Amino acid sequence: YVLTQPPSVSVGPGQTATITCGGRNIGGQSVHWYQKKPRQAPVLVVYNDGDRPSGIPDRFSGSNSGNTATLTISRVEAGDEADYYCQVWDSSSDVVFGGGTQLTVL
Amino acid sequence: QVHLQESGPGLVKPSETLSLACTVSGASVGGSSSYWGWIRVPPGKGLEWIATIYGGGTTFFNPSLKSRAGISIDTSKNHFSLRLTSVTASDTAVYYCVKNLPHSSGWAWGLWGQGTLVTVSS
Repeated sequence: YVLTQPPSVSVGPGQTATITCGGRNIGGQSVHWYQKKPRQAPVLVVYNDGDRPSGIPDRFSGSNSGNTATLTISRVEAGDEADYYCQVWDSSSDVVFGGGTQLTVL
Repeated sequence: QVHLQESGPGLVKPSETLSLACTVSGASVGGSSSYWGWIRVPPGKGLEWIATIYGGGTTFFNPSLKSRAGISIDTSKNHFSLRLTSVTASDTAVYYCVKNLPHSSGWAWGLWGQGTLVTVSS
């Protein structure tokens, strides 16, 4: 199972960043999103398509339908600059990660 | 507060076996509903899942690593371990131990260790 993410997304501070994750019928699966900053462990920012773990600001939201899942970051801040990865569980491959999207805050 | 801490050699020779342990505090590795796993990040690359073990002992592996990977739980030490045999330079990575977020579908990895860099080199 393959998850496809755009290599990079750029937005200005205060704007909205949209990061997509494409996969065949991904809308039928639970999608999780991670934020990875250099020299830090990844952090789960959205799980089960659109739920947020404790401590994650509500600026982070997610949706999932058809062949595309989306992570939306509203009111982007400089501190949101990171790589973002989507992940699903697939019956044939178990855990599958997307290739990652580098978010740049201009 | 559950905490994960990786430990193991930072340097492994090619063709040898990489062995890492993850010490768990604040939870029992043998507990039901807990899934424990290993994920790595090679330099300049993305996340790669390696293996997962359920508290009851059931194991799951990345198909591309299954022939070389092993994962186990030691309830007496409250830790779980990773073994990766016949390593090559492509196994150089930061290795993270992880725990699933309770009540998540499809293993959302809600807790991560700080990570440990393993370099494969002679």
